[in-house]
Amino acid sequence: TQLLEQSPQFLSIQEGENLTVYCNSSSVFSSLQWYRQEPGEGPVLLVTVVTGGEVKKLKRLTFQFGDARKDSSLHITAAQPGDTGLYLCAGAWAGGTSYGKLTFGQGTILTVHP
Amino acid sequence: DTGVSQDPRHKITKRGQNVTFRCDPISEHNRLYWYRQTLGQGPEFLTYFQNEAQLEKSRLLSDRFSAERPKGSFSTLEIQRTEQGDSAMYLCASSLAPRGGLLNYGYTFGSGTRLTVV
Repeated sequence: TQLLEQSPQFLSIQEGENLTVYCNSSSVFSSLQWYRQEPGEGPVLLVTVVTGGEVKKLKRLTFQFGDARKDSSLHITAAQPGDTGLYLCAGAWAGGTSYGKLTFGQGTILTVHP
Repeated sequence: DTGVSQDPRHKITKRGQNVTFRCDPISEHNRLYWYRQTLGQGPEFLTYFQNEAQLEKSRLLSDRFSAERPKGSFSTLEIQRTEQGDSAMYLCASSLAPRGGLLNYGYTFGSGTRLTVV
């Protein structure tokens, strides 16, 4: 069973601060995605990373995929109250019937205070 | 396309009753997934379909749970003899099937069905 460990589980910060969320696995991902979820809604895709060492930027969000494709990070610069939500990493492993099926981490609940 | 639709949004049922949820995916998507999520946790995989074929079902899923996707379009998830531990948000997602050995496409999730078993 492939597992994803996300940390921290909770983050409570002030507007303007920076933060980083981590996602780790003992298995090699074929690809990894990050989602953001607001209360009462389904997760919304932020980014997909597939190449080891890959870095992608989405405005104030920077996503990094580890060289060995076992870990990833999400860095938010100058957080705003609108960034508040549940951040989820999700990995896919190649092979068998699990091909293309995502396994989600437990999530990081981010609260940004004005 | 209006995205992935789930019905109902909320369901309150008494323990022991059967419930059925419906999911209408994005029409071009051949994959459909069901996940379960409890408050503050990540979604937990239940089952998924490619077209009308059910390709995988979680080992954690008891035989009280069954899902169908007739004709490869909408899907239903039924829970028989509900228990209080079944209370959760049930999420449906759809996507295109992977190509070239990579998960090229993200999932599009519905807003979920929140089940409360009393």
